[in-house]
Amino acid sequence: TQLLEQSPQFLSIQEGENLTVYCNSSSVFSSLQWYRQEPGEGPVLLVTVVTGGEVKKLKRLTFQFGDARKDSSLHITAAQPGDTGLYLCAGGRNAGNMLTFGGGTRLMVKP
Amino acid sequence: GAVVSQHPSRVICKSGTSVKIECRSLDFQATTMFWYRQFPKKSLMLMATSNEGSKATYEQGVEKDKFLINHASLTLSTLTVTSAHPEDSSFYICSARRGRSSYNEQFFGPGTRLTVL
Repeated sequence: TQLLEQSPQFLSIQEGENLTVYCNSSSVFSSLQWYRQEPGEGPVLLVTVVTGGEVKKLKRLTFQFGDARKDSSLHITAAQPGDTGLYLCAGGRNAGNMLTFGGGTRLMVKP
Repeated sequence: GAVVSQHPSRVICKSGTSVKIECRSLDFQATTMFWYRQFPKKSLMLMATSNEGSKATYEQGVEKDKFLINHASLTLSTLTVTSAHPEDSSFYICSARRGRSSYNEQFFGPGTRLTVL
């Protein structure tokens, strides 16, 4: 069974700090998505990475896919209270439709 | 965009009754829809995968007779929780896969909070 491990599980920081969330697996994925979920709402897709070594930027968020396509990271620069939420990574494989979700990282940014 | 809606957003029901949750893709055709369950402060747990016009595929441990899934069209899937019990109380989220993208991207609905009394 493929498994995606996210770390840290919880993160509480002050506004303006930087942070990195990691998503690791022993399996290779054809694509990897990052989602952000706020309480009482569904996850919202932030980015999809598909090429080993790929780096994508979304304003203050930087996403990287590992060279071997087994891991990914999300780096947030100068975090703001609006970044607070549950961040989920999810890996997809060519063989099926399903996504394998990581356990999530709950981020709280204090003003 | 890729918008997915769910209805209702919240439902409270008595134990023993059935509850139907609808999931619609509003601006695209969804070849595959997924149903997840999420416990407080936890990640998503896949319950089943449904393809339009065929039977749903349930994950291990999910009772197909209790969680009935119908994917009648390319824009609508329904989840019916039959004979609901308090332990079925949870946040249920659907997602839809757009077209036949090889990127496995899923677009999520806003979720349905089910409370069984």
